[in-house]
Amino acid sequence: DVKVTQSSRYLVKRTGEKVFLECVQDMDHENMFWYRQDPGLGLRLIYFSYDVKMKEKGDIPEGYSVSREKKERFSLILESASTNQTSMYLCASSPGTVGNTIYFGEGSWLTVV
Amino acid sequence: GENVEQHPSTLSVQEGDSAVIKCTYSDSASNYFPWYKQELGKRPQLIIDIRSNVGEKKDQRIAVTLNKTAKHFSLHITETQPEDSAVYFCAANSGGGADGLTFGKGTHLIIQP
Repeated sequence: DVKVTQSSRYLVKRTGEKVFLECVQDMDHENMFWYRQDPGLGLRLIYFSYDVKMKEKGDIPEGYSVSREKKERFSLILESASTNQTSMYLCASSPGTVGNTIYFGEGSWLTVV
Repeated sequence: GENVEQHPSTLSVQEGDSAVIKCTYSDSASNYFPWYKQELGKRPQLIIDIRSNVGEKKDQRIAVTLNKTAKHFSLHITETQPEDSAVYFCAANSGGGADGLTFGKGTHLIIQP
């Protein structure tokens, strides 16, 4: 079974703090993704990576950055958290071939106060 | 980039009846169309997918149809059961590369006893 693990399920951070969301997958997948889920807006792609040290902007990258130093690990960074970044963040991974199933982690609920 | 529209946003059906959720996409190069089910508090999980070289795919009570000319695809659930209650997301890839999936905004399916 594919396992995508997000280290923090629930976080509360203050405005202006730097926030790290960590994600690890155990299936040697090439591709990793960070999505944000908000009610009525569905899942929106923030950043993705198709290889170590590679990153590509998704649809809503503003205010976020990412890091992929190892194949199995993909981190989402909020440089200076703001209240409009309060959301559920979902990490996902998929094999390198185009059109393969994306597997999601359990999600990280982030509240910025 | 790809744009995916999903309707309806909420669907209430009587247990045992059928449910249909419809999606349209904009990128004619898209070739992979998965459907995800997300139960309350859980991660989205793939339930069925279809690729552009087929028009229909069935798995027990669920089926997906694809009309490439019209750029729309639909999820059909027959003989609905209480455990079908969830939010369903359609998605489409961006027609090449590891671009991730673009998701619809989701349909909240409610099965009335």
